[in-house]
Amino acid sequence: GAVVSQHPSRVICKSGTSVKIECRSLDFQATTMFWYRQFPKQSLMLMATSNEGSKATYEQGVEKDKFLINHASLTLSTLTVTSAHPEDSSFYICSARRTVSGNTIYFGEGSWLTVV
Amino acid sequence: QKEVEQDPGPLSVPEGAIVSLNCTYSNSAFQYFMWYRQYSRKGPELLMYTYSSGNKEDGRFTAQVDKSSKYISLFIRDSQPSDSATYLCAMSALQGAQKLVFGQGTRLTINP
Repeated sequence: GAVVSQHPSRVICKSGTSVKIECRSLDFQATTMFWYRQFPKQSLMLMATSNEGSKATYEQGVEKDKFLINHASLTLSTLTVTSAHPEDSSFYICSARRTVSGNTIYFGEGSWLTVV
Repeated sequence: QKEVEQDPGPLSVPEGAIVSLNCTYSNSAFQYFMWYRQYSRKGPELLMYTYSSGNKEDGRFTAQVDKSSKYISLFIRDSQPSDSATYLCAMSALQGAQKLVFGQGTRLTINP
């Protein structure tokens, strides 16, 4: 089946630094990928839609300068959390849309970010 | 009012029981309906995908969509301890099932 890989699965960074999370579709091409944020015991909140070769579309309330998204190829999207603060600590999950066989969306395993 | 409402539970049932999970929604434009299973500290795993109204069965899982009532369900037959997880409903109005709107998720525990 389709597989979406995220890296790193866990990362701890110091406050004020930047951290990059990668999302890869391993066996299909994804022109569209999505980035979500999930706080403990809460549902997924869409942050932005990442489109290959163009600028990402951010949801209302999400700072585009803080959460930089790059979708440079059909299999890779990256989320960079810039100048991280402790309140950015969360579970970040990406998903990729597989256009073949029904436009199904598959999720990555998620990345735990802890800012200390 | 949230676009998608889902009882967060927790829901605890004995092994072998039939589990019923439900979501209601307010946006009549939703056409694509999905159920995801999420284990603790893991990404969601797609279980069922349904377009418009009707039933869909896959093994022990059955998904139902009633657009007239804006109500979707997931049934799990012969529930097993390995089914213990959080179940998220998700839906979209857009072609290609983009911009999913998720329910809060229901925490389910199957007791041996």
